Amino acid sequence: GAVVSQHPSWVICKSGTSVKIECRSLDFQATTMFWYRQFPKQSLMLMATSNEGSKATYEQGVEKDKFLINHASLTLSTLTVTSAHPEDSSFYICSARISDYEQYFGPGTRLTVT
Amino acid sequence: GQNIDQPTEMTATEGAIVQINCTYQTSGFNGLFWYQQHAGEAPTFLSYNVLDGLEEKGRFSSFLSRSKGYSYLLLKELQMKDSASYLCAVMDSNYQLIWGAGTKLIIKP
Repeated sequence: GAVVSQHPSWVICKSGTSVKIECRSLDFQATTMFWYRQFPKQSLMLMATSNEGSKATYEQGVEKDKFLINHASLTLSTLTVTSAHPEDSSFYICSARISDYEQYFGPGTRLTVT
Repeated sequence: GQNIDQPTEMTATEGAIVQINCTYQTSGFNGLFWYQQHAGEAPTFLSYNVLDGLEEKGRFSSFLSRSKGYSYLLLKELQMKDSASYLCAVMDSNYQLIWGAGTKLIIKP
């Protein structure tokens, strides 16, 4: 089956630093990947749609200069949280679209900003 | 606006049956998904309905009524490992998933 990996699975960083999260589709190519954020006891919130070879599309209210997305290849998208603050602490999940109707989720990255 | 409603929390007994309801109002409809999410983990796919009716897959079944904007996920022979959050999501006319807040299912022995 389709497998999506994320790295790191968890990270702790200091306020003001930047953190990069990688999302890889291991056994298929994905022209489109999605980045979600999930706060405790809340549902997934779509942050942005990442398209290979073009700029990401950000959802309303998500700062594109703070959450940098790069989809450099058909199997890799990265999310960089710049100048992280404690309120950015969350569970970040990526998914890769394999068809219009199917997307597979990565295992998630738990970010804690101290 | 787009809206998906599902109960916040439900409790059921091991071995029993539970039905989790989901109602939706979205711009366009390209199918409804149910996902299971254990605490601290990413969602895993359970079912996809695009036509009216019941889809059965082992202990889990999912029902859709497009005219009523309504779906339910039916879990039979509940096991302790079924304790999780169950997320209802609708794919809109832009093929984008609109997520419900999830239903936390608590299974008691």
